[in-house]
Amino acid sequence: GESVGLHLPTLSVQEGDNSIINCAYSNSASDYFIWYKQESGKGPQFIIDIRSNMDKRQGQRVTVLLNKTVKHLSLQIAATQPGDSAVYFCAEKIQGAQKLVFGQGTRLTINP
Amino acid sequence: NAGVMQNPRHLVRRRGQEARLRCSPMKGHSHVYWYRQLPEEGLKFMVYLQKENIIDESGMPKERFSAEFPKEGPSILRIQQVVRGDSAAYFCASSPGLPNISGANVLTFGAGSRLTVL
Repeated sequence: GESVGLHLPTLSVQEGDNSIINCAYSNSASDYFIWYKQESGKGPQFIIDIRSNMDKRQGQRVTVLLNKTVKHLSLQIAATQPGDSAVYFCAEKIQGAQKLVFGQGTRLTINP
Repeated sequence: NAGVMQNPRHLVRRRGQEARLRCSPMKGHSHVYWYRQLPEEGLKFMVYLQKENIIDESGMPKERFSAEFPKEGPSILRIQQVVRGDSAAYFCASSPGLPNISGANVLTFGAGSRLTVL
């Protein structure tokens, strides 16, 4: 569901460590999932996507894992860099629809 | 190869005035989406349009808000008689068309228009 007026969850990691950002989605009819990165004052930027018939997909330094049994999505970022500091959103698309429904978001901060 | 262009980037209005936000989709994209984002919150879907048609307006408030995507020109999100609660960042996104055969539908977002209502 949607939450109103809550501060974003925050994940702090050391530079060079791996980051794991989690997302729970709500609709078992969702057939497509996508992760976006949003830096301060900017629009969301595409990172990686995955279809519901897959459970893992890898990109450059990023991996998305999908567990349909528990309706859970995660984004793994390898060797986190200062430029990875941002808010990360997962989004889902319900089968037959076009719009993306966004999750709450997680703020990732990198400690030097 | 310009991305999604939104203007104005910042808009200040007094209560009761009208706000008009414009969005030009990426070249070759015929589908436009509008989202609203409050500080420290996620993006909330408002409306989905194709040229000259509103496809899904399930996230639009029933009053004061309207959107259009004419045959020529940008998509416009219009807010009449603005109130302080309308202060937010409004993001436009575009996509080339319907989801592809695998169901993927990557939306490309603009930089947003930040509305402040005094």
